[in-house]
Amino acid sequence: QLQLQESGPRLVKPSETLSLTCTVSDGSISTTSYFWGWIRQPPGKGLEWVGHIYYSGTTYYSPSLQSRVSISVDTSKSQFSLRLTSVTATDTAIYYCARRSLMTTVTGTAQYYFDFWGQGTLVTVSS
Amino acid sequence: EIVLTQSPGILSLSPGEGATLSCRASQSVRSNYLAWYQQKPGQAPRLLIYGASSRATGIPDRFSGSGSGTDFTLTISRLEPEDFAVYYCQQYGRSLYTFGQGTKLE
Repeated sequence: QLQLQESGPRLVKPSETLSLTCTVSDGSISTTSYFWGWIRQPPGKGLEWVGHIYYSGTTYYSPSLQSRVSISVDTSKSQFSLRLTSVTATDTAIYYCARRSLMTTVTGTAQYYFDFWGQGTLVTVSS
Repeated sequence: EIVLTQSPGILSLSPGEGATLSCRASQSVRSNYLAWYQQKPGQAPRLLIYGASSRATGIPDRFSGSGSGTDFTLTISRLEPEDFAVYYCQQYGRSLYTFGQGTKLE
């Protein structure tokens, strides 16, 4: 049974770097039909895609965060990680890790969607 | 970047009634690359619908999705008490995902 567990500091000072790790419990991190992503949600607000990574290390980032974000993967530990530099109060959010799976629609089209999510962790940026 | 606008912002209904939620895109969503998620307080989002009209695993058939191009709809045929939540649409295009701002079903 898959579990995704986020871990890392819950409080980060302004201008510093936010670092989170997501552990994939069932060893599926190297499965070819999966990517692994991060989505965030400021308290009381909507969802924002941050980026995602393939087990090979190929990454895709939100254009609005691209200059500050990096996602990496460690298949030996079944983990992938998020780093966000130069944080400000606007980076305060619940950060979710999620699995991006290849799914086939009723019309036979293959598409990727975030079908399994971690419980999320609130990271607060404050001095 | 494709902007998704959901309406209404808040939908007030009673159990047993039907619900219709709208998601309008600023540009055509290619290949109907659109999903709907349900989020309850204190929980992560749950995938309901993908490819605009395909139900995800374990999702009851009272949930259905439709639409194409720029206009998409999530329909809940008979509301159950557990359906009261916030619903988000999401699209994927040009290597990036965007979400709508959400509809609260109360």
